[in-house]
Amino acid sequence: NAGVMQNPRHLVRRRGQEARLRCSPMKGHSHVYWYRQLPEEGLKFMVYLQKENIIDESGMPKERFSAEFPKEGPSILRIQQVVRGDSAAYFCASSPQTGDYGYTFGSGTRLTVV
Amino acid sequence: GEDVEQSLFLSVREGDSSVINCTYTDSSSTYLYWYKQEPGAGLQLLTYIFSNMDMKQDQRLTVLLNKKDKHLSLRIADTQTGDSAIYFCAERSYGGSQGNLIFGKGTKLSVKP
Repeated sequence: NAGVMQNPRHLVRRRGQEARLRCSPMKGHSHVYWYRQLPEEGLKFMVYLQKENIIDESGMPKERFSAEFPKEGPSILRIQQVVRGDSAAYFCASSPQTGDYGYTFGSGTRLTVV
Repeated sequence: GEDVEQSLFLSVREGDSSVINCTYTDSSSTYLYWYKQEPGAGLQLLTYIFSNMDMKQDQRLTVLLNKKDKHLSLRIADTQTGDSAIYFCAERSYGGSQGNLIFGKGTKLSVKP
């Protein structure tokens, strides 16, 4: 049973380009969460999605960032017109439909904006 | 707002016990978690405790919760070099949505042979 799969592991983008980060939840998990980790910081919640629905996007920057979790396929975190301050590790977690007992995290995508 | 505080560094000798401390501000926290992060890796859930519990033990790990002082600790018995990592404390507040965890900045545990 594969865990939470994120790709790519490392992503380098020039300022102004778009970054697309993918997350496939664990089998049987229908809830996905995205977090951002800046250097030397803890993780900050960004968004919580279920299939085709955004449940809580209170941690998402108002501009340039969007997330989706389509009926088929992985969840996507999209960052348009990246800036140097977007350089961070982006982690995805998933959980089953019910239960609040812990969240399984992927290995993250490390985004570097040059 | 909610905040989770941890000391940044802890150094212990192999075989000793490690105690990593965490304080939080939200008295309505429902679940409290400990995660381990090794270099370049994701977060591994170590254990969690529900806010109506005082203690939870799982093999070498013991979690103690003092709700009055809003203090959470993680004790690792017989610490090994493989325990060297960053340990994050996190809380889920009652008012937060599922999965909206508040993380501390992490405690870097160094285990000396």
